Amino acid sequence: NAGVMQNPRHLVRRRGQEARLRCSPMKGHSHVYWYRQLPEEGLKFMVYLQKENIIDESGMPKERFSAEFPKEGPSILRIQQVVRGDSAAYFCASSPESGGGGYEQFFGPGTRLTVL
Amino acid sequence: GEDVEQSLFLSVREGDSSVINCTYTDSSSTYLYWYKQEPGAGLQLLTYIFSNMDMKQDQRLTVLLNKKDKHLSLRIADTQTGDSAIYFCAESTGGYNKLIFGAGTRLAVHP
Repeated sequence: NAGVMQNPRHLVRRRGQEARLRCSPMKGHSHVYWYRQLPEEGLKFMVYLQKENIIDESGMPKERFSAEFPKEGPSILRIQQVVRGDSAAYFCASSPESGGGGYEQFFGPGTRLTVL
Repeated sequence: GEDVEQSLFLSVREGDSSVINCTYTDSSSTYLYWYKQEPGAGLQLLTYIFSNMDMKQDQRLTVLLNKKDKHLSLRIADTQTGDSAIYFCAESTGGYNKLIFGAGTRLAVHP
């Protein structure tokens, strides 16, 4: 059973370009979380999705950022018109259930975005 | 509000015990977690504790929870060089199991 997969592992974009980050959850997992880690900081929650639904996007900037988890295919975190401050590691996690805590979130290796 | 704080660095000698501390502010936290992150890698769940427990032991790891003081600690017995990593404390308040992380404690193990 493959773990959570993220690609690309490293992404370099110039200011103003778009960044697309992909996350394939573990087999059988229907819950996906995206977190952002700025240099020397902890992870910050961005968005929580179930298949075809955004459940909680309270941690995601209102502009330029969007996320989806379609019925088929990976979850996508999209950043439009990137700025230098978007440079960070973006981690995806998946879980088979949610609610009540205690269900392990399995993390992917992350995508390290560098904006030039 | 939600806030999790940790000391940033800890240096220990190989074979000694390491104790990493964490404080949190949300009294409604239901689960508290310890994650390990090695350089360039994702996060690995080490252990978690439910808020109605005081202690949990798992091989070399011991988690202590003082709910009154909102203080969580992770003790690693017989610390090895392979334990060198960043350790994150995190809390969740149930619901969607959204995790709130501390900034991480960088553990350095020296001979």
